[in-house]
Amino acid sequence: NAGVTQTPKFRVLKTGQSMTLLCAQDMNHEYMYWYRQDPGMGLRLIHYSVGEGTTAKGEVPDGYNVSRLKKQNFLLGLESAAPSQTSVYFCASSSSGTDTQYFGPGTRLTVL
Amino acid sequence: GENVEQHPSTLSVQEGDSAVIKCTYSDSASNYFPWYKQELGKGPQLIIDIRSNVGEKKDQRIAVTLNKTAKHFSLHITETQPEDSAVYFCAARKFTGGGNKLTFGTGTQLKVEL
Repeated sequence: NAGVTQTPKFRVLKTGQSMTLLCAQDMNHEYMYWYRQDPGMGLRLIHYSVGEGTTAKGEVPDGYNVSRLKKQNFLLGLESAAPSQTSVYFCASSSSGTDTQYFGPGTRLTVL
Repeated sequence: GENVEQHPSTLSVQEGDSAVIKCTYSDSASNYFPWYKQELGKGPQLIIDIRSNVGEKKDQRIAVTLNKTAKHFSLHITETQPEDSAVYFCAARKFTGGGNKLTFGTGTQLKVEL
């Protein structure tokens, strides 16, 4: 039982490049979330999903897109990366019957 | 939307002392308040939570208190140990029937000194 895994762990992009972050969970959770963590700002919700095929905007969705084609996977895409998107990105999942969110280890993204 | 403020941003205590971290929230409809611990290089992990129908909850050396009237809740760690050193986040949630969206505080860096 690996829990929540994220790929890649580190990435450096140039402004304007695109990339996709992959989140996978093996707990059969219905809900999945993408957060970004910046110094002094805590964790802010980017997008979330309440089930396969559904996505919704969180607090800071601009510049990001997401997809949940399979229940166990939640993808976060950056179509044209900007330096303001330099951050640590965390994926989390939770069951519809409980409140606990389980977090992955994070992806550190630097946009030059 | 919900706004969660957390204080202090850094806290240094001597091993064996107690540590208290405080949070306030803005939306009186919020009904669930978890605390997460984040160790260096890892994702946050839930350590304790409390619901709006409870005033206090304790789990060994950690406890959380909730004052709904004042809209604030606190984390109490007693007999601190070096392994308690981490960043702690409070959060609040208003049940909306769609997902389990949390609004997090800005975090407290706790350092337990020997």
